[in-house]
Amino acid sequence: GDSVTQMEGPVTLSEEACLTINCTYTATGYPSLFWYVQYPGEGLQLLLKATKADDKGSNKGFEATYRKETTSFHLEKGSVQVSDSAVYFCASTGGYNKLIFGAGTRLAVHP
Amino acid sequence: KAGVTQTPRYLIKTRGQQVTLSCSPISGHRSVSWYQQTPGQGLQFLFEYFSETQRNKGNFPGRFSGRQFSNSRSEMNVSTLELGDSALYLCASSLEVGGEQFFGPGTRLTVL
Repeated sequence: GDSVTQMEGPVTLSEEACLTINCTYTATGYPSLFWYVQYPGEGLQLLLKATKADDKGSNKGFEATYRKETTSFHLEKGSVQVSDSAVYFCASTGGYNKLIFGAGTRLAVHP
Repeated sequence: KAGVTQTPRYLIKTRGQQVTLSCSPISGHRSVSWYQQTPGQGLQFLFEYFSETQRNKGNFPGRFSGRQFSNSRSEMNVSTLELGDSALYLCASSLEVGGEQFFGPGTRLTVL
């Protein structure tokens, strides 16, 4: 069945370091892809999305490109801040409004 | 514009009891989805409702059920609670199929 695999954390970085969180998917069709972020004690917030191959989603300095040939949607940021510390989830659509999530990657950014 | 609200925010129950959780979507949104989040299994899809009809269902036992009312508010019910049902239950609403889903803060259920 459809699934999403993302790199395990935790990822620990110093402020202003570069971030990459890998995400790959398996799907029978052509899903839309998302990155969600969850801050402590809160629900999920949509960070960015891409709906078709070669689309690039971007928001708040984060970027991810929908790569159909490698079935990937890696999250990148050139310079992380302490305020980026959170759990990041990669997700794909699985019919109607069903989302299939990866396991989540915890990011900790230190000053 | 008010966001997705979920009540209650915290709940403690004992094994064998049943529980009902409520979700009020963003005004105008007709799709409501439910997810279970646990440390071991991560985020898992429970079901999705649109205009009072269940359109999609995840791989959960029949103890988990839901419904949606004509005002788009949704409830989910878990009967005969088990320890493993302890989780954060998240609700999300969307304006349309494939549209952005907005998540509520969740209901933290603890089963003792």
